Parts: sequence; structure tokens; C-alpha cells
Amino acid sequence: QVNLLQSGAALVKPGASVKLSCKASGYTFTEYYVHWVKQSHGKSLEWIGYTNPYSGYTDYNGKFQDKATLTVDKSTNTAFMELSRLTSEDSATYYCSRGAYNNYVLDVWGQGASVTVSS
Amino acid sequence: DTVLTQSPALAVSPGERVSISCRASEGVDSYMHWYQQKPGHQPKLLIYKASNLASGVPARFTGSGSGTDFTLTIDPVEADDTATYFCQQSWNDRTFGGGTKVELK
Repeated sequence: QVNLLQSGAALVKPGASVKLSCKASGYTFTEYYVHWVKQSHGKSLEWIGYTNPYSGYTDYNGKFQDKATLTVDKSTNTAFMELSRLTSEDSATYYCSRGAYNNYVLDVWGQGASVTVSS
Repeated sequence: DTVLTQSPALAVSPGERVSISCRASEGVDSYMHWYQQKPGHQPKLLIYKASNLASGVPARFTGSGSGTDFTLTIDPVEADDTATYFCQQSWNDRTFGGGTKVELK
């Protein structure tokens, strides 16, 4: 059974960083890209970027180029997203998802991780 | 960025047919996909590449369209279909529509 298990909720202070994790199981981790998506409370979805677990190649939405850093650890089948210089605008739920059908579609999603930025 | 426009909400009675539209600001060929999201849950893939049913999704869900205009149809609607539906294009980077909330009358 394909599954993406994300790390838990985080409460962080303004200006700090947070690193979210996404552990894959039930498939060959290096054969599918991992995407990250932001959902602000009650609002729509924003694509942040993706990483190729096989090569480590990353591609970002320009809006998040200076905010998010995507990495992977092939030894543990885990993808990571680090968000830096956090502000209240970064408070949201963040999802990881698997890129399928030649990476065009997000076919499996993690359960989401809530990030709250507050002093 | 390719902007995707959806109507914000629809109300429908169980057993009826509902069509949810998504219009792209520029052509995306057939690279339009649909997701269902229920409150407190992650999105779920329903339709990929405009008209292909994702694995395990009931045949009550169908997708159509190409270029700039796309439609997700649910026929017949069931109570469990109460959710927000998002379209997403992957022709020019990736963007999502604002979502259409489907409620039952």
C-alpha cells in the first residue's frame, strides 16, 4: 500500500526555520518525484516544487524559490522541505505528494503537516 | 502563471447531476486534473489528463475538455460527494484552481 507519512504539527517563532519530513512506503522511492503543496487555512492550493529522489534534482515555483529548500534521504525513503525566515504568511498546512504519470499528476498525498508561526 | 478559474460553490440534491467547470487563462492541452478534498483531509486524485479516471474512483465521476475549458461531472451525486473540488494544470508549471465547494440541498 502506497503511503506518505508526514511529520507532525509545528509551532515556530517568526524568523525561525522549520524542516518537514515525508516518509514514503509501499513503492520504490527513487522512481517517483516528490512534490510539496501549501494550503493556507480555508484556501486553495499552491504548488511549491518537486524533487527527484533518484538524482536530487529540484524545481521550484518561483514564488517559493527563496523560501523552501527540498531535499531527500534515499537511505530512509524520506523527503524533506525546509522553510526559512518564517512569517505569519507561512502559517499553513503543507502536503507532500507523489508525482505520477510522467510527473504530471499528484496521485498520492501525505496527511499534511500544520505549521503555525507565532511568537 | 496559468490562472485556473472555478465557480466557488454549488448546491445539488442527491441523485442529480452536477457539473463543475474550470477555465484556464491559457491553453493547457489535456494536462488538467481534478482532486476532491473533504474537510480535515488531504486531496484525493479523481481524474487525470482531463478524462482519465484514477484508480479506485467510482465511474460516477467523469472529466472532459481540452485547451482552456474543462468540466468535472458527478452523476448521480451521492451524500458522500460533499467536498471541495480542485482543478490543477501541469502544462505550464503547476497551478490549482480556487476550488468549488459542493454541498447537498
